[in-house]
Amino acid sequence: DIQMTQSPSSLSASVGDRLTITCRASENINSYLNWYQQKPGKAPNLLIYLATTLQSGVPSRFSGSGSGTDFTLTISSLQPEDFATYYCQQSYSTPRTFGQGTKVEIK
Amino acid sequence: QVQLQESGPGLVKPSETLSLTCTVSAASISSYYWSWIRQPPGKGLEWIGYIYYSGSTSYNPSLKSRVTIFVDTSKSQFSLNLSSVTAADTAVYYCTRGGVTGDAFDIWGQGAMVTVSS
Repeated sequence: DIQMTQSPSSLSASVGDRLTITCRASENINSYLNWYQQKPGKAPNLLIYLATTLQSGVPSRFSGSGSGTDFTLTISSLQPEDFATYYCQQSYSTPRTFGQGTKVEIK
Repeated sequence: QVQLQESGPGLVKPSETLSLTCTVSAASISSYYWSWIRQPPGKGLEWIGYIYYSGSTSYNPSLKSRVTIFVDTSKSQFSLNLSSVTAADTAVYYCTRGGVTGDAFDIWGQGAMVTVSS
């Protein structure tokens, strides 16, 4: 199985901050990397697919970069509605695997 | 707007079979891959497996011996059976669209909480 490791596991930030979350794959996954946001009691919501492509309807303050084994999710200016848990997921091979999540809390 | 809705018992006894159905609306079930994903309380996400309308499947090896996913195109539904459940199978179960290589899970059901307890 491909292991997906996110860092940090949690962080505290303020509205307006620039935020970066990293995701590392245990082997090369090309650009087959997706990012999701999950709020408490809700299903995850797709933010970015194929490492860099913004899903329709997702605000442009979200962006993704990377290829191979190292990827980042950036939020350019954190908004109140962005406090949530973020997951990366590889779609390169089965079983599909997710990172452990990064919880973004209000400072 | 595409919608997915899970249905099934919220309580299953240990050693029995967990059965859930996902109903797809406003999308052709014959045009996509469909997956089940679960999330134990307070934990992360685990992909269970996917199915194509043709019946082709792929399962997570960690669950493969206990999992069956099948599709009923006439009802626009796909279903999950997980046998010999234990407390470790207690989780929110999500049905989603997607799962093939290069694909993302772009549409999710609201989730169904299933508790395994006697």
